[in-house]
Amino acid sequence: NAGVTQTPKFRILKIGQSMTLQCTQDMNHNYMYWYRQDPGMGLKLIYYSVGAGITDKGEVPNGYNVSRSTTEDFPLRLELAAPSQTSVYFCASSYTGRDQPQHFGDGTRLSIL
Amino acid sequence: QKEVEQNSGPLSVPEGAIASLNCTYSDRGSQSFFWYRQYSGKSPELIMSIYSNGDKEDGRFTAQLNKASQYVSLLIRDSQPSDSATYLCAVSGWSGNQFYFGTGTSLTVIP
Repeated sequence: NAGVTQTPKFRILKIGQSMTLQCTQDMNHNYMYWYRQDPGMGLKLIYYSVGAGITDKGEVPNGYNVSRSTTEDFPLRLELAAPSQTSVYFCASSYTGRDQPQHFGDGTRLSIL
Repeated sequence: QKEVEQNSGPLSVPEGAIASLNCTYSDRGSQSFFWYRQYSGKSPELIMSIYSNGDKEDGRFTAQLNKASQYVSLLIRDSQPSDSATYLCAVSGWSGNQFYFGTGTSLTVIP
């Protein structure tokens, strides 16, 4: 049972480059989330989705884009990488939004140089 | 005011003692409450869920919820060095579409 799978695990980007962080879940969860966690800080919500074709902004959406074409996949796109986007990115999913806990992937550690 | 507040610590307890972690939240409509453990360099993992006022026990862990005081806590009995981690409190907002995470409390269990 894979759960939530994130790729890549590590990545170094140059300023201005673009990349997509992949997230897929095999639990048939409706809700999916993207968080970033800076060193010593809490989780900050970037975007979330309540189902295929539906996405919404979280607390810190600037510089990111998402899409949700299938229930399983929720990729996060960085268009013009900036040093401020250096962080650890976590994808999470839950069956419903309110009563069910979120299950997290292992994270992607991203450095922008 | 932050949605969820936790004392960042660090909290240090000797092995075998009880560790008490506290969390307050601002949304009176919140219905679901969760505790996650996060080891350094790892992702958060769920420890406990609690939905009703009172205590909920699972092994060495007890979650306590008081909705009137907007307060949720986690007790760890017989603390072990392997319990050393950051503990995140999470609260589901009234809208149901977002979780609010606290910044976490760092716990160190001293052998």
